Amino acid sequence: EAGVVQSPRYKIIEKKQPVAFWCNPISGHNTLYWYLQNLGQGPELLIRYENEEAVDDSQLPKDRFSAERLKGVDSTLKIQPAELGDSAVYLCASSRSGRSSYNEQFFGPGTRLTVL
Amino acid sequence: QQQVKQSPQSLIVQKGGISIINCAYENTAFDYFPWYQQFPGKGPALLIAIRPDVSEKKEGRFTISFNKSAKQFSLHIMDSQPGDSATYFCAASNSGGYQKVTFGTGTKLQVIP
Repeated sequence: EAGVVQSPRYKIIEKKQPVAFWCNPISGHNTLYWYLQNLGQGPELLIRYENEEAVDDSQLPKDRFSAERLKGVDSTLKIQPAELGDSAVYLCASSRSGRSSYNEQFFGPGTRLTVL
Repeated sequence: QQQVKQSPQSLIVQKGGISIINCAYENTAFDYFPWYQQFPGKGPALLIAIRPDVSEKKEGRFTISFNKSAKQFSLHIMDSQPGDSATYFCAASNSGGYQKVTFGTGTKLQVIP
């Protein structure tokens, strides 16, 4: 079974430039998450999707960040414009849906963003 | 607000020794406590998890000890190996409804030969 795929793996941009990250979740996983991981820190949830609906985007800085999951499969996270403080690893994860028990989240390798 | 506190930040253990990582939580609504292992350049991967109805769970060399009254839990890695060198994150979640996982700050473990 293929894991969560993310691209690009690395991205270096100048501040104020736009950047986009792409995620393809595990087949059959309806729930998709975007996390931010700063150096030496644990992942912090940015947004969670159930199929194509964003059910929790409370931690997403909406002035510069946006995300979409148009067909309920792939997802794109965008930053425009990027700031120096956005340098971090952006992780995508997916899980099965269901409310009866804990659904394990499977993480992709992440995209390491460096803003100069 | 940091809801899951993790210590130590880094840990160096001799091969064959025991690695111990501690976590404490505040939110009593948490009822599922996973540990994740992350190697450089990789995403976190679930290692072992426990529910608060048991005080201990063991899987191979990895054991979680859970103290519900103290709201603390810990990971013990027995017979630590150089291949265990990674960053470990404790986490907490609720198991029903919307399962939002809160991660600790991580412990970088180095096992030296």
